[in-house]
Amino acid sequence: EVQLVESGGGLVEPGGSLRLSCAASGFTFSSYTMNWVRQAPGKGLEWVSSISSSSSNIYYADSVKGRFTISRDNAKNSLYLQMNSLRTEDTAVFYCAREGAGATADYWGQGTPVTVSS
Amino acid sequence: QSVLTQPPSVSGAPGQRVTISCNGSSSNIGAGYDVHWYQQLPGTAPKLLIYGNSNRPSGVPDRFSGSKSATSASLAITGLQAEDEADYYCQSYDTSLSGWVFGGGTKLTVL
Repeated sequence: EVQLVESGGGLVEPGGSLRLSCAASGFTFSSYTMNWVRQAPGKGLEWVSSISSSSSNIYYADSVKGRFTISRDNAKNSLYLQMNSLRTEDTAVFYCAREGAGATADYWGQGTPVTVSS
Repeated sequence: QSVLTQPPSVSGAPGQRVTISCNGSSSNIGAGYDVHWYQQLPGTAPKLLIYGNSNRPSGVPDRFSGSKSATSASLAITGLQAEDEADYYCQSYDTSLSGWVFGGGTKLTVL
């Protein structure tokens, strides 16, 4: 059974940093592109970043470029999102999602909440 | 403002049929990229509902169907049930953004 479990969310002040993790199991993690998607309170889904299976291709949404860094450790079946210079508008639930055929998000984690507030 | 455009809300009585539209552009749906649909029940993570424009993952009832043409797509739900009340999102890939794009979401209310 495919499982994605996020962790690392919490309350942080504006300008602060946070590192999210996503532990994967039930599939060959090293074979899949992985993504982070966020959802602000009461809002829709917003793609944040993607990383290819070997980390050779990395992309970011303009809203986080230069502040967030995606990475992965295939030996540990883990995906990460380092978030720096956080802003109040980054407040959201962050989901990790596996990318399936045709660029679909075929599996999602349960999400980890991030609140940026003073 | 979302790259893909969906109606904010739709509603229907139990047993009825509703459709949700998803309009894109030449850099995403119109460029030939697949459209996928997700169902998000209150307080839960999104769940894949339709992939590759019209395919249902195992376990998704055949009351749900998808279609795509030109720069748009649509999700149809027949035989509405109370348990279908949720938010629905379309998603594709955008070549100019090099990433996923989502619709703003449509809240389905079963009257």
